[in-house]
Amino acid sequence: QVQLQESGPGLVKPSQTLSLTCTVSGGSVSSESYYWSWIRQPAGKGLEWIGRIYHSGSTSYNPSLKSRVTILLDTSKNQVSLTLSSVTAADTAVYYCARVLALGADYFDFWGQGTLVTVSS
Amino acid sequence: DIQMTQSPSSLSASVGDRVTITCRASQSINNYLNWYQQNPGKAPKLLIYAASTLQSGVPSRFSGSGSGTDFTLTISSLQPEDFATYYCQQSYSQFTFGPGTKVDI
Repeated sequence: QVQLQESGPGLVKPSQTLSLTCTVSGGSVSSESYYWSWIRQPAGKGLEWIGRIYHSGSTSYNPSLKSRVTILLDTSKNQVSLTLSSVTAADTAVYYCARVLALGADYFDFWGQGTLVTVSS
Repeated sequence: DIQMTQSPSSLSASVGDRVTITCRASQSINNYLNWYQQNPGKAPKLLIYAASTLQSGVPSRFSGSGSGTDFTLTISSLQPEDFATYYCQQSYSQFTFGPGTKVDI
C-alpha cells in the first residue's frame, strides 16, 4: 500500500519561500506508471491543483502559480518537493501531495494526510 | 483553462435518499472526469474515475455518468458515512476541481 507523508514548516513569513517535502513509501517515485502532484486547500474552501512532476523530472504547473512554483523529485530519498516563493496570506492552506495514475482520465488515487501551512508574520 | 461548476453547492438529505450531484465543464472533456469524497479534516478519497468507473473498494451505491461537458454523481441510498463534500475534477487539460457539493443532514 502506497503511503504519502507531507512535511515542512507550518509557519512561513510573508514574502518568504514555502518548502514542503512529500515522502513516499510502498512505491517508487521513479515508476513510469504514475506521477506526482501537489494540491492545496484553504480553510473552508475548495481544492486547487498546484502542479505535477513525472518520473523523468518533467513538470507542469497551474498557470496562476507557475511563476512562483517549483516541484522536484529526489529519487534517492523517494521524495517529491514543493517550493512556493513570495508567499502571501492567500497561500495559507492545507497542502496535499498525491499520486496520479496516468490512464488518460488521470486521477489522484493516493493522497497524503495534508499539512497546514500558515503565512503570517 | 477549463472551468468546472457543480450544482447544487449544498444539499440536505436523509439516510436512504437518492442523491444526484451535477458537474459541468466549460468545454468538452470527453470522459476525463473524476469524483472525490472529502470528510472534514481528511484528504479527498477517489470514488469514480473516467466518469463512470467505480474505484476499487467504493460501495456500489455510488455511480457516475456523463461525457463531453455534463456529468453526474449519484448515491442511490444515502448512508450516514456519505455526509461529506464531493468534488469533481477534470484531467483533460491539466487539472481543475469543481467547487464542491456539501451533503448534510
